[in-house]
Amino acid sequence: KAGVTQTPRYLIKTRGQQVTLSCSPISGHRSVSWYQQTPGQGLQFLFEYFSETQRNKGNFPGRFSGRQFSNSRSEMNVSTLELGDSALYLCASSLGGLSDTQYFGPGTRLTVL
Amino acid sequence: GESVGLHLPTLSVQEGDNSIINCAYSNSASDYFIWYKQESGKGPQFIIDIRSNMDKRQGQRVTVLLNKTVKHLSLQIAATQPGDSAVYFCAENMSQFYFGTGTSLTVIP
Repeated sequence: KAGVTQTPRYLIKTRGQQVTLSCSPISGHRSVSWYQQTPGQGLQFLFEYFSETQRNKGNFPGRFSGRQFSNSRSEMNVSTLELGDSALYLCASSLGGLSDTQYFGPGTRLTVL
Repeated sequence: GESVGLHLPTLSVQEGDNSIINCAYSNSASDYFIWYKQESGKGPQFIIDIRSNMDKRQGQRVTVLLNKTVKHLSLQIAATQPGDSAVYFCAENMSQFYFGTGTSLTVIP
């Protein structure tokens, strides 16, 4: 069974731009979660989608948004990029949600200049 | 918010030795724990998990120990190999997962 895939793997943007990241979960998984990983901070939870609905949300500003499609694929969008948004963005999928084992993709490395 | 921390940010071991990575969690109501391995340039990889009704669980070359009294979790890697070099972090679950910052394990050949 194929794992979680994320595209693109690397992105370089400038301040003020917006970016869209994509995630395809493991087949059969209906929950997709997004995390931000920065050095020293660990993984910070952004939000979780299940059956096209956002079920849970972390403490990130409204510039961070997402959506999920009927095939469970998910996108995350960050608008008006700031230097502090530079991070590794990880997508994780699970069968039922945040209480189930999270299986991670390789991540998208975003650099904001 | 939740706080999940590891005792040491870095750990170096000789190839063939056993490694022990520790993690302290904050919430006594957490009922599920996972250890992840993250190699450079890759996403976190599931290693082993344990439920709060267990004290110990063994996998292939790895053992997780859970001490609920002191809210402590450890990962033991037997006969550490160069391929084990990575960042290891624990995660505790209480409705959602809270992740530690990780211990960077370096295996010296």
